[in-house]
Amino acid sequence: AQSVTQPDIHITVSEGASLELRCNYSYGATPYLFWYVQSPGQGLQLLLKYFSGDTLVQGIKGFEAEFKRSQSSFNLRKPSVHWSDAAEYFCAVGAWAAGNKLTFGGGTRVLVKP
Amino acid sequence: DAGVTQSPTHLIKTRGQQVTLRCSPKSGHDTVSWYQQALGQGPQFIFQYYEEEERQRGNFPDRFSGHQFPNYSSELNVNALLLGDSALYLCASSRSGYNSPLHFGNGTRLTVT
Repeated sequence: AQSVTQPDIHITVSEGASLELRCNYSYGATPYLFWYVQSPGQGLQLLLKYFSGDTLVQGIKGFEAEFKRSQSSFNLRKPSVHWSDAAEYFCAVGAWAAGNKLTFGGGTRVLVKP
Repeated sequence: DAGVTQSPTHLIKTRGQQVTLRCSPKSGHDTVSWYQQALGQGPQFIFQYYEEEERQRGNFPDRFSGHQFPNYSSELNVNALLLGDSALYLCASSRSGYNSPLHFGNGTRLTVT
């Protein structure tokens, strides 16, 4: 069975500082990996996805993530955080065999200090 | 190009009642999935519809049922509502096949009293 762990429930970061959100997954086959962002009262917006190929993927809003198979991780990073990045971030794992069904982690809430 | 639209945005129901939530997928998408997001948690997969049939189902009781129409829109029905069914219900659409990420609507907030 697939599972996703986001170890950090809350992270507080100063505006302009760097941000890294951790994600660890468990899946027997080659996974598809995603990061979504959710603002209060909103649905989920796709930030980036990894299917295959280059393990460093670029996304929208200046985010990037690196797939490390040996560590079963897919951490999300941003070099310089803006106040508008305050939101909840979800890592998810899927697989072609699962027919686009996604398993989500519990989320990390990011607070940005001025 | 309209994205995924869901209606209603908010709903208040009483225990034991039935509810129907609606979803129109993004243009060009033919697959619709439903997720339940309880407060403070990540979304949980309920089921997925393609070609008007339920293709996959998560760990939800039979009180949760759905339908997909020929225009690819979908409904989620929940019978005999429980307090624990209070959540944000998210609809996501995608194109069938390889490498199609999910696009989510803004959800329907269901409160059961």
